[in-house]
Amino acid sequence: NAGVTQTPKFQVLKTGQSMTLQCAQDMNHNSMYWYRQDPGMGLRLIYYSASEGTTDKGEVPNGYNVSRLNKREFSLRLESAAPSQTSVYFCASSSRDEQYFGPGTRLTVT
Amino acid sequence: AQSVTQPDIHITVSEGASLELRCNYSYGATPYLFWYVQSPGQGLQLLLKYFSGDTLVQGIKGFEAEFKRSQSSFNLRKPSVHWSDAAEYFCAVGKYGNKLVFGAGTILRVKS
Repeated sequence: NAGVTQTPKFQVLKTGQSMTLQCAQDMNHNSMYWYRQDPGMGLRLIYYSASEGTTDKGEVPNGYNVSRLNKREFSLRLESAAPSQTSVYFCASSSRDEQYFGPGTRLTVT
Repeated sequence: AQSVTQPDIHITVSEGASLELRCNYSYGATPYLFWYVQSPGQGLQLLLKYFSGDTLVQGIKGFEAEFKRSQSSFNLRKPSVHWSDAAEYFCAVGKYGNKLVFGAGTILRVKS
């Protein structure tokens, strides 16, 4: 039982490049989330998915897209990376009572 | 609007001393409150949660928190801090475990 897994762990992009962050969970949860963490700002919700086939914007969705591929997988795509997207990205899934977090992806955009 | 305020960005305590981390929230309905801990380079781990009932909740690693509705607070406490408790602590509010709103975090440093 791996919980929530994320790939890659680290990534460096140049401005304008694209990439997809992958997330998978093996807990059979319906809800999944993408957050970004920046110093002094806590975690801010980018997008979430309440169930397979549905996605909704969170607090900071601009510059991102998501895909809920199936119940297990929820990916985050940066179409044209900007330095302001340098951050640590966390994926989470939730049962009714609790969110479970992945180990994070540290992304630097130069 | 929902929000969480953690007034202390950094706190330093001596090993063996007691600890209290403050959390104030704004939420339009019955709040479901959480404390998470993040060790350097790691993801977030749940310490404890409050949904209803007894306002003093016990968590892992010897932590507890008290819900005070009149003060809109959910402060985290530990009687005796260990060096391994050095980490960043996040308070969060939401509806059950969904769409949580997080505070900015408090970084705990432990002096030996």
